[in-house]
Amino acid sequence: ERVMTQSPATLSVSPGERATLSCRASQGVGSNIAWYQQKPGQAPRLLIYSASTRATGIPARFSGSGSGTEFTLTISSLQSEDFAVYFCQHYNNWPSFGGGTKVEIK
Amino acid sequence: EVQLLESGGSLVQPGGSLRLSCSASGFTFSSYAMSWVRQAPGKGLEWVSGISGSDGGNDGSTYYADSVKGRFTISRDNSKNTLYLQMNSLRAEDTAVYYCAKAVGRVTYYFDYWGQGTLVPVSS
Repeated sequence: ERVMTQSPATLSVSPGERATLSCRASQGVGSNIAWYQQKPGQAPRLLIYSASTRATGIPARFSGSGSGTEFTLTISSLQSEDFAVYFCQHYNNWPSFGGGTKVEIK
Repeated sequence: EVQLLESGGSLVQPGGSLRLSCSASGFTFSSYAMSWVRQAPGKGLEWVSGISGSDGGNDGSTYYADSVKGRFTISRDNSKNTLYLQMNSLRAEDTAVYYCAKAVGRVTYYFDYWGQGTLVPVSS
């Protein structure tokens, strides 16, 4: 079973600043990584798939990179609506999610 | 517009059973893999189970997380556009919001649409 580890657990960022979130896989997963955003009381929303492809309607300030075991989600200039929890997920075989990174207002 | 609507969540005692349903609309349900993903209160996401879409031949292959294997059964009724999760021998640690999620392909398990979730508290 591939274990996904996200860091940091909490990221404090000021509006307009850049946020960089990390996700590490215990074994290589190629580019089979998706990123989701979840706000309180809501279902997750797909942001990125295939490690770097934005889903439909996702703003260009969200970008993903990486392959193999190391992946990054970058939010170039945080907007108020971006403060949320972010999860990575591999789908190499059966899906597995990371523990999440909470992006909070500094 | 794609819509997923879960139902069936309710308080259940440890050792009990429950069946969740997910009614789907706005897409060709039979063609897509579907999954159940759960989230314990204040915790992260855990994939529970998945079922593949149909290609006209082989379809309906099922997959389970180790934590629920042998206790939960996923199924689908393509004529009713409905996904199910039969949960038996429930434990306190199964307490969670259960989400129905649509995969992007017949067998590719990342998820472009999610339901609003249904809460399953397991407690005596």
